[in-house]
Amino acid sequence: DQQVKQNSPSLSVQEGRISILNCDYTNSMFDYFLWYKKYPAEGPTFLISISSIKDKNEDGRFTVFLNKSAKHLSLHIVPSQPGDSAVYFCAASANRDDKIIFGKGTRLHILP
Amino acid sequence: DTGVSQDPRHKITKRGQNVTFRCDPISEHNRLYWYRQTLGQGPEFLTYFQNEAQLEKSRLLSDRFSAERPKGSFSTLEIQRTEQGDSAMYLCASSLVTEAFFGQGTRLTVV
Repeated sequence: DQQVKQNSPSLSVQEGRISILNCDYTNSMFDYFLWYKKYPAEGPTFLISISSIKDKNEDGRFTVFLNKSAKHLSLHIVPSQPGDSAVYFCAASANRDDKIIFGKGTRLHILP
Repeated sequence: DTGVSQDPRHKITKRGQNVTFRCDPISEHNRLYWYRQTLGQGPEFLTYFQNEAQLEKSRLLSDRFSAERPKGSFSTLEIQRTEQGDSAMYLCASSLVTEAFFGQGTRLTVV
């Protein structure tokens, strides 16, 4: 039973353009959402998070949007840079004290 | 370096042997998590601690797996009688609020 779903295994985007990574969740108890980035042979690195009381959070080139009614969130990266090529994981928790559940990830390729 | 530290980084073991991994979290973090990751999958929750108390264990964690955090600081994950299916990257993370910070992982290969 996958509670956090990333339905696109991979995504290719031209350098300088916008990258949009999508994530859906099924557990209505989730109220905190996170995005992580992972390079090969390294642990995931925290990128950005959003609480369910907000619908948008922005940090530099990264913006996360949350649509609670659709149980959907997305990560926008603009402009995309070569160093953004990595696997991106969407994650969620039910109240800030609970365990964090991860999706399967989306591999982002930034094309020159 | 004050990040999450895991030891060893790599472990090759024969099927049936026991292995133990260590995780040193960021010093002021009270929560510590263990995850397992296999190829093409996201980190899979195994267990987590609040200080020295183990709050939850995944149903996926068989009796061969045990984790401890004796003084609320470092943690160990032991796998007894390893099987080939245990081959994976074992990730440790720690947090103070909700944003968990990961170590570089221990890659286990069971031959």
